[in-house]
Amino acid sequence: EAQVTQNPRYLITVTGKKLTVTCSQNMNHEYMSWYRQDPGLGLRQIYYSMNVEVTDKGDVPEGYKVSRKEKRNFPLILESPSPNQTSLYFCASSLVRGRSPLHFGNGTRLTVT
Amino acid sequence: TQLLEQSPQFLSIQEGENLTVYCNSSSVFSSLQWYRQEPGEGPVLLVTVVTGGEVKKLKRLTFQFGDARKDSSLHITAAQPGDTGLYLCAGVVTGNQFYFGTGTSLTVIP
Repeated sequence: EAQVTQNPRYLITVTGKKLTVTCSQNMNHEYMSWYRQDPGLGLRQIYYSMNVEVTDKGDVPEGYKVSRKEKRNFPLILESPSPNQTSLYFCASSLVRGRSPLHFGNGTRLTVT
Repeated sequence: TQLLEQSPQFLSIQEGENLTVYCNSSSVFSSLQWYRQEPGEGPVLLVTVVTGGEVKKLKRLTFQFGDARKDSSLHITAAQPGDTGLYLCAGVVTGNQFYFGTGTSLTVIP
């Protein structure tokens, strides 16, 4: 089954404790992206990747890192999480950026206390 | 600053009623997509519109892209409880970058 898999689904952590949210897609998509979803603000892009070893900042990249060492994986790293990073995070992929639909994972709800 | 504004933000209607959701911008988009998101899941694509003035139908859902490719609407006829969810528009601009709207949360009451 074609899908984008995120882990974990729920995560509660404390300020400053490094964490990684994993994302994997099995559709051989070139483009992958991370979004955060907050009430009243919609989906905002954090980082995106056009292909392996190619990553770029989205609209809200501060406090986040990503890597794309393999085509299928695109982990999101929070080196020192803060409470304002409490949010619902989505990973998405598409065959070609902007020209094909985005396929989303089921989300990771992160709480930073 | 939000590139895409959706209205209304919240909508609660009775089963069988009609409704329209709007997605507006001052920017021109090369294409526009509509997604629906259900609780606990990621958004799922409903439709892509590409040509100014284009109308697409998906069963009881009708999507229209504005002539100037700056706005779009989603009309649902005879809403059903299964239509409940968050509706998101997403515009594609120069450089093939996606921008999502603020979302419309629809509740259809049986």
